Amino acid sequence: GAGVSQSPRYKVAKRGQDVALRCDPISGHVSLFWYQQALGQGPEFLTYFQNEAQLDKSGLPSDRFFAERPEGSVSTLKIQRTQQEDSAVYLCASSSVGAEAFFGQGTRLTVV
Amino acid sequence: AQSVAQPEDQVNVAEGNPLTVKCTYSVSGNPYLFWYVQYPNRGLQFLLKYITGDNLVKGSYGFEAEFNKSQTSFHLKKPSALVSDSALYFCAVRANTNAGKSTFGDGTTLTVKP
Repeated sequence: GAGVSQSPRYKVAKRGQDVALRCDPISGHVSLFWYQQALGQGPEFLTYFQNEAQLDKSGLPSDRFFAERPEGSVSTLKIQRTQQEDSAVYLCASSSVGAEAFFGQGTRLTVV
Repeated sequence: AQSVAQPEDQVNVAEGNPLTVKCTYSVSGNPYLFWYVQYPNRGLQFLLKYITGDNLVKGSYGFEAEFNKSQTSFHLKKPSALVSDSALYFCAVRANTNAGKSTFGDGTTLTVKP
């Protein structure tokens, strides 16, 4: 596709529910990033993949958060047992190695 | 550790006037610096970057930014603002030795009034 695609665009989850957020990066982009953006704040780094290898997961806030990119293309961010503080916009971005990142429109997660 | 400061939450300018959105950074080693713009309900759009070379970088939509190593700054500028430039602007930094994590500022809301 022409850009980074994220689905769903909006997700409402009941507290305790598991959610899975999908990211389709720009074709050919080796690097893939996940960020969390709370209201009124800048994006906060969660994790980084180069191809299928997760090279940095230092930003994942707890072991309830898990990301994968098994074939080096599509990535999924999974949040288990969601809590209210998980409510945020989750942004995915992709890039060529070392180049600027191109962002998707994000998934707005609301935990009720 | 790396960090970005955008000292102004809000910048207001009149259409046709020059604009500046400020950014200072802290990073170990040489920085890669980026500016992004975010419109309501849209993802971040890349504007420009500094990697190496000329300290004055030109980007999309007539924006430019000046890298100042001694002041650790990377201010975004435009000679003549348009109403359509009104948006949320983010500065980001990454160490040149790390192809992964970028750190973003909290953003500056630019409002251009007719």
